[in-house]
Amino acid sequence: NTKITQSPRYLILGRANKSLECEQHLGHNAMYWYKQSAEKPPELMFLYNLKQLIRNETVPSRFIPECPDSSKLLLHISAVDPEDSAVYFCASSSGTINERLFFGHGTKLSVL
Amino acid sequence: AQSVDQPDAHVTLSEGASLELRCSYSYSAAPYLFWYVQYPGQSLQFLLKYITGDTVVKGTKGFEAEFRKSNSSFNLKKSPAHWSDSAKYFCALEGRDSNNRIFFGDGTQLVVKP
Repeated sequence: NTKITQSPRYLILGRANKSLECEQHLGHNAMYWYKQSAEKPPELMFLYNLKQLIRNETVPSRFIPECPDSSKLLLHISAVDPEDSAVYFCASSSGTINERLFFGHGTKLSVL
Repeated sequence: AQSVDQPDAHVTLSEGASLELRCSYSYSAAPYLFWYVQYPGQSLQFLLKYITGDTVVKGTKGFEAEFRKSNSSFNLKKSPAHWSDSAKYFCALEGRDSNNRIFFGDGTQLVVKP
């Protein structure tokens, strides 16, 4: 799936700051960050629709999303914690209700 | 509040058998419902969705799902199953007033033995 690209694919960190990047080439208006921990379902972290942010209030404040334009999505992580080890998926949709999600291949974050 | 329940964490069956993966939901109004599949080490792929109208919806890879309002279910079906269907399947719900937030069930790990 090259329509949604994520970088990096793999990330191994100690307690450091890092940013995940996502870009979609589908002309979509909504972009999402999902966290999938081992053997768990994807959990919505943040949603931008037409650049308006909707956040999951349970996400720790060390995660900061950014949407510089409608095709790009960033996730800044400061002082990662071992519980942050997971695969982070970027997804997009047209932004209208009941439309399917298109997922990127994910970034696997391993925190030492 | 909205929620999705997939009561079977694991399902194992033999190739050629019929598969049915269960999903039930809780939502105050008529929901939008989806099924996604995740192959090992891969991302999620869309299979099908229910919006309104027909209770049986057809999707990709030969799958279909039946929406039953009477018992708030949206079970995924395929016959016959193939070993390549082995994957994790997620049922998902979007509420009509949820601002495009889509919530996933815990998933069902399907193993189809050759």
